[in-house]
Amino acid sequence: DQQVKQNSPSLSVQEGRISILNCDYTNSMFDYFLWYKKYPAEGPTFLISISSIKDKNEDGRFTVFLNKSAKHLSLHIVPSQPGDSAVYFCAASDGEYSGGGADGLTFGKGTHLIIQP
Amino acid sequence: NAGVTQTPKFQVLKTGQSMTLQCAQDMNHEYMSWYRQDPGMGLRLIHYSVGAGITDQGEVPNGYNVSRSTTEDFPLRLLSAAPSQTSVYFCASSYSGSNTGELFFGEGSRLTVL
Repeated sequence: DQQVKQNSPSLSVQEGRISILNCDYTNSMFDYFLWYKKYPAEGPTFLISISSIKDKNEDGRFTVFLNKSAKHLSLHIVPSQPGDSAVYFCAASDGEYSGGGADGLTFGKGTHLIIQP
Repeated sequence: NAGVTQTPKFQVLKTGQSMTLQCAQDMNHEYMSWYRQDPGMGLRLIHYSVGAGITDQGEVPNGYNVSRSTTEDFPLRLLSAAPSQTSVYFCASSYSGSNTGELFFGEGSRLTVL
């Protein structure tokens, strides 16, 4: 039973345009959501997170939106740049140690974002 | 600052062999965890630790053991390797004071079991 779903395995966007990556979840106990970026042969790196008490968090070109009633979150990248080409993982936390990821995160399968020149 | 260091980066084992994947962090993080990544599967939690002497199972713990004798180290042991354990393994750490929930990942260890 997949609790965090990224239904688009890949997404192609033109450089300079907006990239929108989507993520759905089924566990109502999730209270913290994160996005990670991964390049080939490297470990994932943290991008941005949002607590369930918020509906939006912004960091430079990256904005995450959370719709709790729909159990849906999205990552917007504006404008998209060639260096944004990577696999993006959505992750969620529901543990006692929420926020610190202490007792682990539940990850989606990832979306491969390709930025075309 | 080295961050999270994993060794070895690559390993080939025969079915039934045992080995240990090493993980060390120099950020004094309380929390450490191990994930495996398989094609089309995302990352799945194997084991985690919230402090020295404390470990617990994640989503896919079978066939793996861990221990946490120090804050810095969190080795993952494969007791009797099976082809199903062919995967890329990531170690991660985080700290209780984080206000972002960020995990810091190592570069990964690619394991092939023949």
